[in-house]
Amino acid sequence: DTAVSQTPKYLVTQMGNDKSIKCEQNLGHDTMYWYKQDSKKFLKIMFSYNNKELIINETVPNRFSPKSPDKAHLNLHINSLELGDSAVYFCASSQVWGWTGEDTQYFGPGTRLTVL
Amino acid sequence: AQTVTQSQPEMSVQEAETVTLSCTYDTSESDYYLFWYKQPPSRQMILVIRQEAYKQQNATENRFSVNFQKAAKSFSLKISDSQLGDAAMYFCAYRSTTSGTYKYIFGTGTRLKVLA
Repeated sequence: DTAVSQTPKYLVTQMGNDKSIKCEQNLGHDTMYWYKQDSKKFLKIMFSYNNKELIINETVPNRFSPKSPDKAHLNLHINSLELGDSAVYFCASSQVWGWTGEDTQYFGPGTRLTVL
Repeated sequence: AQTVTQSQPEMSVQEAETVTLSCTYDTSESDYYLFWYKQPPSRQMILVIRQEAYKQQNATENRFSVNFQKAAKSFSLKISDSQLGDAAMYFCAYRSTTSGTYKYIFGTGTRLKVLA
């Protein structure tokens, strides 16, 4: 069973287009994340949702809009795609346990977005 | 703000030998979590090992162990009996335990090559 899944795994599109990436987790976690990994492999958080509520919103262009229809899903919609949006986008989920705030993030397989 | 530094962009190790990957971090918090993630060419992010800052004992997972030096803010990963399948990018990550702060901060990664 796939714990965190993303679709599609590869996405090639033209500049100016709008595209979405879907993420689903079957771990029963409350918190989900979107990360962007650039060509130098630097991994940076973009958004996080906890029980469908946005809790982290890093400095990301407003062309990027996350949507969480329920706590098992967190989709990423990108408007007016630009060349600089080319990257690998990772979804992750976690569950914060108890007073220690313990959690481990589990990542999806990533979506390689190429903007031409 | 917390930062995570991996000063070795690339490391090489002979198969069956031992290698240590370095990670340092900066924080003013006393409780936090540290992680090592592995990213093989498949690009899947895989949790290797985690360490709770309140635990003095170093975490171990089979051939993987850490040297956690809290005062020095150092968290190195030792891989014993290196195998070809260990070749990957390795990322060190920090997570605060402050309530409501769920994001991970990743280092820039170390590419590990395993030589046959």
